[in-house]
Amino acid sequence: GDSVTQMEGPVTLSEEAFLTINCTYTATGYPSLFWYVQYPGEGLQLLLKATKADDKGSNKGFEATYRKETTSFHLEKGSVQVSDSAVYFCALRAGGGNKLTFGTGTQLKVEL
Amino acid sequence: NAGVTQTPKFRVLKTGQSMTLLCAQDMNHEYMYWYRQDPGMGLRLIHYSVGEGTTAKGEVPDGYNVSRLKKQNFLLGLESAAPSQTSVYFCASRPDRDGQETQYFGPGTRLLVL
Repeated sequence: GDSVTQMEGPVTLSEEAFLTINCTYTATGYPSLFWYVQYPGEGLQLLLKATKADDKGSNKGFEATYRKETTSFHLEKGSVQVSDSAVYFCALRAGGGNKLTFGTGTQLKVEL
Repeated sequence: NAGVTQTPKFRVLKTGQSMTLLCAQDMNHEYMYWYRQDPGMGLRLIHYSVGEGTTAKGEVPDGYNVSRLKKQNFLLGLESAAPSQTSVYFCASRPDRDGQETQYFGPGTRLLVL
């Protein structure tokens, strides 16, 4: 079946550091890929998405590129801020499907 | 515009007790969902609804019932709580016109079953 694997957290970084959160997937067909963010005390929000191979999703300084050859969708940001502290979820929707499959989430802590 | 709200935020139950979790949305969304989140696992879909008066099973429906009597509310019931139902429960909603990924999530309900 479909699955999403994320790196375990927590990831602790200093402000202005470079961020990478790894995400790999297993799916039939050509899935759409997503990153969600959950700030403390709030629900998940869609951060960015990519619907086909080599697409790059971007939002709020975050980027992720859909890599079909490595079945990956790693989240990156060049310079993190304290306000980026949150839990990040990678997810997929299999081609033509109506179900979201989530990863386990990676907690990011950014310190001054 | 409150978005998606969940009641209660936290609850402790004893094994065998029953309770209802309430999800409310004020965005006139057609679709509503209930997920659970457990340590080391992603969100898993329990039940969902594609409109008022409809419900359908998701990935892990056993031990739960749901109702969607009003478009804005989606209730999740536990008739006889078990320790395995200790989890964080998330509700979500989305409009009919948008794709599955555009779900608006509530802040979650933490449930502890002793």
